[in-house]
Amino acid sequence: ELKVEQNPLFLSMQEGKNYTIYCNYSTTSDRLYWYRQDPGKSLESLFVLLSNGAVKQEGRLMASLDTKARLSTLHITAAVHDLSATYFCAVGGETSGSRLTFGEGTQLTVNP
Amino acid sequence: GAVVSQHPSRVICKSGTSVKIECRSLDFQATTMFWYRQFPKQSLMLMATSNEGSKATYEQGVEKDKFLINHASLTLSTLTVTSAHPEDSSFYICSARTGLYSNQPQHFGDGTRLSIL
Repeated sequence: ELKVEQNPLFLSMQEGKNYTIYCNYSTTSDRLYWYRQDPGKSLESLFVLLSNGAVKQEGRLMASLDTKARLSTLHITAAVHDLSATYFCAVGGETSGSRLTFGEGTQLTVNP
Repeated sequence: GAVVSQHPSRVICKSGTSVKIECRSLDFQATTMFWYRQFPKQSLMLMATSNEGSKATYEQGVEKDKFLINHASLTLSTLTVTSAHPEDSSFYICSARTGLYSNQPQHFGDGTRLSIL
């Protein structure tokens, strides 16, 4: 059974600081997704990572994938209040029958 | 592009009522749609995979007679929560895949918040 674990689950940080959210998964997969969820809202797609060593960046967020370690990271650079949300990683693809398995989510609060 | 519309966005009803939630792909055809449930402060849990023209595939522990899924067209899947009870109160989210292949991304609806009194 595929398990996806995120760390930390809760993160409170000050504006301007950097931090990394980690996503570990238990079995081989060929794609990893990062999503953002604001309170009471659905998911917003951030990144899709398809291969070992993949790195994608959008604004202050950068995601990377190490398939050998079964690890993805979401790095936040110079955080701003608008980044406050819950971030989920999800693993899926051919080997999981196209179903997505989500991590527990990381609730990020950026304080002014 | 790739917009998924979910309706209604919020439902409050009495225990014992059956509730239908619609998930529509507005600008693409979706052979496969997914239904998720999310309890407060928790992650999304896949309930079932809905394939157009065939029976849905339910995840372990999800009662198929309780959560009826119909995917009658390439743009519409419905989830009916039958005889809903307070423990069914949750945030239900659908997603739709844009193509035939499992490596294509899912696009999520805005979710339906179901509250059973």
